[in-house]
Order: sequence, then C-alpha cells, then structure tokens
Amino acid sequence: GAVVSQHPSRVICKSGTSVKIECRSLDFQATTMFWYRQFPKQSLMLMATSNEGSKATYEQGVEKDKFLINHASLTLSTLTVTSAHPEDSSFYICSGSDSANYGYTFGSGTRLTVV
Amino acid sequence: GEDVEQSLFLSVREGDSSVINCTYTDSSSTYLYWYKQEPGAGLQLLTYIFSNMDMKQDQRLTVLLNKKDKHLSLRIADTQTGDSAIYFCAESKRRDDKIIFGKGTRLHILP
Repeated sequence: GAVVSQHPSRVICKSGTSVKIECRSLDFQATTMFWYRQFPKQSLMLMATSNEGSKATYEQGVEKDKFLINHASLTLSTLTVTSAHPEDSSFYICSGSDSANYGYTFGSGTRLTVV
Repeated sequence: GEDVEQSLFLSVREGDSSVINCTYTDSSSTYLYWYKQEPGAGLQLLTYIFSNMDMKQDQRLTVLLNKKDKHLSLRIADTQTGDSAIYFCAESKRRDDKIIFGKGTRLHILP
C-alpha cells in the first residue's frame, strides 16, 4: 500500500535554530501534502496544504514565515521550522494524497523538542 | 462551520465490543473516516464511508452513519489488547480536500 516516509522521527534543537522535516511518498505521487501539528492529548490541527509546484496555503493563525513548506516534487515535501522556540515543541505529521485510495496516507510523525 | 465531536475516553473489557461515537456539523461532508493512532506514531486509516451509505463492514469493524443526525459510529467486535489506541473521527468534503479531525477517543482495554 501507499507509504509516506517522514524523517526525522525525533529531533531536539536549541532555541533559535531551524529544523527541517521531510516527507517522502515512496510508492505514489502525492500531488497534495497536508501538514498537521498535534499537541499532547489533542487532535490534529491542520497547518497548511501544499500542492506540488505551487505555494502552500496556510491555515489562519499559522505563520508562513515561521513554518516554511516546500513541495518541489510529487514525492517530496518539507516543513522547516525557522528560529524555533520552546512553544514550537510539538508532534508534526504530514499526509499525502494517494489517488488510488480514499483517505490520506500519514507519515509516522516527528516529535520536535526545542530546548 | 466545521466541527467534529467525539468522547475522549472509552474503557472496554477484552473480548467485548467497543463502540466509538462521533458527531459532525457540516452537512456537506462527503467522506467520513476513522483513523487509529498508536502512541508516538502517525495515523492509520482504518476505514471510511461515503455520505450516501448507511453502513460499512470490514472484518471486525462496522461503521454506521446516520446522515440525518450527522452521527457516525465505529464498532470494534471482539476487542483485543492491540486495539488500544486513539481513534479519530474525521470528515472531508471532497476526496482531495483537507480533513477535519475530532479530538480523538482513547480506547482502553480492561483485562
């Protein structure tokens, strides 16, 4: 079945540095990739929608200059958290559209801890 | 507006059936999903149902949809310890549209 590989699974970074999270669709072409953020014991909050080759569409309240999304190819999308702060610590999950199946395929998530 | 509500916790004895309920507000929701999330992991699509269906069964899983009441349920027959996870109800208007999630129901299995 469709697989989305997300890396890294865990990352600890210092406050003020930037972190890049990658999501690759391994056996399908993800024309659309969604990026979510999940706080402990809470649901997934959609951050942005990215379509291959175009600028991402951000949800209200999400800073586009802080959370940079690139979707340069049909198999790779990246989220860069710039100038990270402790309040950015969270679980970030991507999901890609597989046109062969309904529903989206999710990556395994990245636990970001900013110290 | 878009809103998906579900209870936060459910405890079930091993071997019994689990029923997780969900309500949604958007009458234009076309696709309704159930996702499973195990600790520290991503989400796994368990099953989905179209809004023009009333029921869908897949092995131990049964999804019931009451479109009039905007109520969706997931029944897990013969609940096992491996079913312990958080179950998210979700909806979208189109196949390629964003998915709106509920807060998730944490299913706890009692021995």
